[in-house]
Amino acid sequence: QVQLQESGPGLVRPSGTLSLTCAVSGVSISNHFWWSWVRQPPGKGLEWIGEVFHGGNTDYNPSLKSRVTISVDKSNNQFSLRLTSLTAADTAVYYCARVQWARNFDYWGQGNLVIVSS
Amino acid sequence: QSALTQPASVSGSPGQSITISCTGTSNDVGGYNYVSWYQQHAGEAPKLTIYDVNNRPSGVSNRFSGSKSGNTASLTISGLQAEDEADYYCSSYTSSGAKVFGTGTKVTVL
Repeated sequence: QVQLQESGPGLVRPSGTLSLTCAVSGVSISNHFWWSWVRQPPGKGLEWIGEVFHGGNTDYNPSLKSRVTISVDKSNNQFSLRLTSLTAADTAVYYCARVQWARNFDYWGQGNLVIVSS
Repeated sequence: QSALTQPASVSGSPGQSITISCTGTSNDVGGYNYVSWYQQHAGEAPKLTIYDVNNRPSGVSNRFSGSKSGNTASLTISGLQAEDEADYYCSSYTSSGAKVFGTGTKVTVL
């Protein structure tokens, strides 16, 4: 059974850097899937952040591209998100998800709430 | 890329059918049969409900169906049940390879 689990801080300082990790179980991250990050500000809709292929290829939301890095760690079967220059607008629940056939988010983590505040 | 446009809310009585629209452009919804729909109950992660316009993942009720015409995709829930009360989001593949979500629709069962 495929499972994804986010981990990372719940509180980060403005202008700081957010680092989140998504541990994948039940499937090898080296299989032919893309692995994605999606966020949801409190009370608002979903926003695609970007994704990574097992070979390291990445694709990012143009509105976040200058601040985002997504990478894959095959040895630990996990992938990570790094978001820099944080503001209050980055406060959100951050989800990791598997992307089926490069277009459908078929498995999701439970989400990690990140609050940007001093 | 701009979010796909969905109605903010749709409601219906138990047993009725409702339809949620998702409007994009020829660079996303209209250009590919790669529209998916997600159901999100309060406090939970989204759940894939429809993929590639009109396909249901294993375990999803056949009361959920999808369609597309031009730049607008639709999700229909027939035989509305109390458990269907949730937020629903569409998503589409885009010409740049990026993904875009809809603005979200809150479904209320009266």
